[in-house]
Amino acid sequence: AQSVSQHNHHVILSEAASLELGCNYSYGGTVNLFWYVQYPGQHLQLLLKYFSGDPLVKGIKGFEAEFIKSKFSFNLRKPSVQWSDTAEYFCAVNALGNNDMRFGAGTRLTVKP
Amino acid sequence: KAGVTQTPRYLIKTRGQQVTLSCSPISGHRSVSWYQQTPGQGLQFLFEYFSETQRNKGNFPGRFSGRQFSNSRSEMNVSTLELGDSALYLCASSPGPAGDYTFGSGTRLTVV
Repeated sequence: AQSVSQHNHHVILSEAASLELGCNYSYGGTVNLFWYVQYPGQHLQLLLKYFSGDPLVKGIKGFEAEFIKSKFSFNLRKPSVQWSDTAEYFCAVNALGNNDMRFGAGTRLTVKP
Repeated sequence: KAGVTQTPRYLIKTRGQQVTLSCSPISGHRSVSWYQQTPGQGLQFLFEYFSETQRNKGNFPGRFSGRQFSNSRSEMNVSTLELGDSALYLCASSPGPAGDYTFGSGTRLTVV
């Protein structure tokens, strides 16, 4: 089965700083890739997804992610974070046509005002 | 449109008991997946159902089981509860096999 690795456990940034959260996956076939966000006290929400096509994917709230197939990576970026971006971010992957979706351990982002 | 609904929201059970959790997916969604979320292990995949058939299963003991009904609603059951089963159990639904999940708010199970 596929697996997902998120490099950072906890990231602390000041407002307006740029963000990049790393995500690598392990799977030899074609995959769908996702980033989910969990704001404090709320349920998981989809930030963005990659199925095929342009490897640079834009999501909600100014987030984007780039799929680099050769590196098995799907890093999440945002040019300027806000205090309201404080949340836990999860990278997830499933094999094409399969709903056996695996999540990374999550990265907690704290943005200081 | 209504989201994914999980009931109950909170549950306290005693070791050795069994528990059934319920999930109503978004209307039209035929795939339902279950996850266990804990601070130490993160989100762990339990199983996935599509059109009443279990298609995928995670690495959990047989005490964890589930089913899906013809209206796509799903239940999961945990028998002989252990303290380590205390967790947030999340249900997610998807219209098809692409894993484009919408999550529910979860059921927080505490085993004492």
